[in-house]
This record gives sequence, C-alpha cells and structure tokens, in this order.
Amino acid sequence: EAQVTQNPRYLITVTGKKLTVTCSQNMNHEYMSWYRQDPGLGLRQIYYSMNVEVTDKGDVPEGYKVSRKEKRNFPLILESPSPNQTSLYFCASSSRLDRAGDQPQHFGDGTRLSIL
Amino acid sequence: QQQVKQSPQSLIVQKGGISIINCAYENTAFDYFPWYQQFPGKGPALLIAIRPDVSEKKEGRFTISFNKSAKQFSLHIMDSQPGDSATYFCAALKGDSNYQLIWGAGTKLIIKP
Repeated sequence: EAQVTQNPRYLITVTGKKLTVTCSQNMNHEYMSWYRQDPGLGLRQIYYSMNVEVTDKGDVPEGYKVSRKEKRNFPLILESPSPNQTSLYFCASSSRLDRAGDQPQHFGDGTRLSIL
Repeated sequence: QQQVKQSPQSLIVQKGGISIINCAYENTAFDYFPWYQQFPGKGPALLIAIRPDVSEKKEGRFTISFNKSAKQFSLHIMDSQPGDSATYFCAALKGDSNYQLIWGAGTKLIIKP
C-alpha cells in the first residue's frame, strides 16, 4: 500500500529536549515536504526536499532542521523545542516530474507535538 | 501578494444542500489551484484541481468555479452528504516556484443529517 508514515503520532515533551519526527514514503517520490498546521493558519511549509541531499527552506523554517540522506526518509529535527512549536505536523511526498507542486501530494496522518 | 484567503472559516449545511467555499488570491502568477480534503486524524488528500485556462471543472458532486479576472475560485459540493464533513483547504502554486503550494486557512464543513 502506497503510504507516508510518520512517527510518533503524538508526543508531549519539554522545552529544550531535542526530538526527531521521522517520515518515510514507499512510493519512490523525489519530492518531500514538512508542514505545520495551526488553527486559522492552514498549512505552512517548514522545509522541502527535491531529492536526496537537496533541501530548502519553506515559509517557517526557524527552529527546525531536516536531512535527506535516503530517498524514502525525511526526518524533521527540533534541536531545542520551544512552546511555540506546539502544533500538528504533516509530512508529504509527491513525484517530481516537471512541477512537483501540481502533482498530488500524499500526506502522512500527522504528528501532534506538545512542547511544555 | 502571496496569500490565499479562504472563507468561510466554518460552514454548516443541511444534507442534500449545496456547500460553497470561496478562495481569493492576489498573485497573478499562480497557475494551479488544488483543493484538498482533510478528515479528522488524517492528512489532507487531493480532491480536485483546476488551471486558469478553464472556468469550471467538475468531478462527480464536486465542482471548482474559477474567475480569473476577479482572482477568485470556489468549491461547490452538490447534494452534500454527512460523509463530506471535513476540513477543506484551497491552495495555489507559487508563481516563482515549481514546488511550493500556498495554502488557504481551511474551512470546517459540517453536513447535518
């Protein structure tokens, strides 16, 4: 089954304790992206990756890091989480072709992070 | 200029009625406009999309209407069903990027039986 898998689904942690949210896709997609979803703000892109070892900032990258060492995996790293990073996070992937933006993005089921 | 403004924030429609969600944009370089549907506990999923060279696209009960001159587009759900209850997001492909979608804030739709 084609899917994007995120782990963990839920996490409550404390300020400053480094955490990693994993994302894996089994569709051989070139393009992967991380979003955060907050009420009234919709989806805001954090980082995206066009292929292995190629990453770029989205609209809200501050406080986050990513890496793309393998095509299927795109972890999101919060080196020193703060309460304003409490949010619902989604990983997405799509095939690149010429314009990845107009390919259907396949989303994971989300990770709800609470930073106390 | 890069924003996509979506309204209403929430919407309640009787079963069998027509649900209408509106979006407006400023950047005339946007050239791809998808709608995504999100159920609770799930990620968004592509529902339907349109390009500005057509004024309307229909897939089953879902129709996108596009007004290029007004820089507006809307989603119409005909014969709305309780199973359509979800959050709907409009989006636009950033004109200077092939990869970044600009998202509306979302509309929570509730269909009353």
